[in-house]
Amino acid sequence: DIVMTQTPLSLSVTPGEPASISCRSSQSLLASDDGNTYLDWYLQKPGQSPQLLIYKLSYRASGVPDRFSGSGSGTDFTLKISRVEADDVGVYYCMQRIEFPLTFGGGTKVEIK
Amino acid sequence: QVQLVESGGGVVQPGRSLRLSCAASGFSFFNYGMQWVRQAPGKGLEWVAVIWYNGSNKKYADSVKGRFTISRDNSRDTLYLQMNSLRVEDTAVYYCARAYGEIDYWGQGTLVTVSS
Repeated sequence: DIVMTQTPLSLSVTPGEPASISCRSSQSLLASDDGNTYLDWYLQKPGQSPQLLIYKLSYRASGVPDRFSGSGSGTDFTLKISRVEADDVGVYYCMQRIEFPLTFGGGTKVEIK
Repeated sequence: QVQLVESGGGVVQPGRSLRLSCAASGFSFFNYGMQWVRQAPGKGLEWVAVIWYNGSNKKYADSVKGRFTISRDNSRDTLYLQMNSLRVEDTAVYYCARAYGEIDYWGQGTLVTVSS
């Protein structure tokens, strides 16, 4: 199984400041047949179900503000929030779907200072 | 709008069975693969199972293989998860999720508690 490792475990951010979350996979998530990188990012706000933020490495899901961006390659990935807002609190998860079983990172809890 | 509504959760003793349902609406259910993802209390997300849009293929996490069965009824726009031989470690909120590649919609979840 592909192991997904996220860092840091938690992050405390001042509103308006940037934030960055890292995710590393134990195998490359780059598909040789279509050139896509199958890495997605989710946010689980307190008391809610997860919601899709970024799919296939860098594509923002519908309705997701452009403050959120995904980048990386191969086995190292980053989710960046350019200016954190109060509504961004919650736990962020990366997930690989290049192969089954799908696997998630352990999560990064983001809180506001 | 897309809606996924899970039901069937509850408290069950170890070794017993439970069947979860997920009623879908607001989209063409028969066109989409569907998944179950669970979250133990205070823990992260764990993928459980996937079923192809037409039910032709299914995949399971090793932790549930041989005990859980995912199925769907496209005439009823409903996804199921039959859970047999339940264990204490199966205690979790179970989310139904739509997947056309990425998981783009999640239900609100249903809590399954396995306890004697």
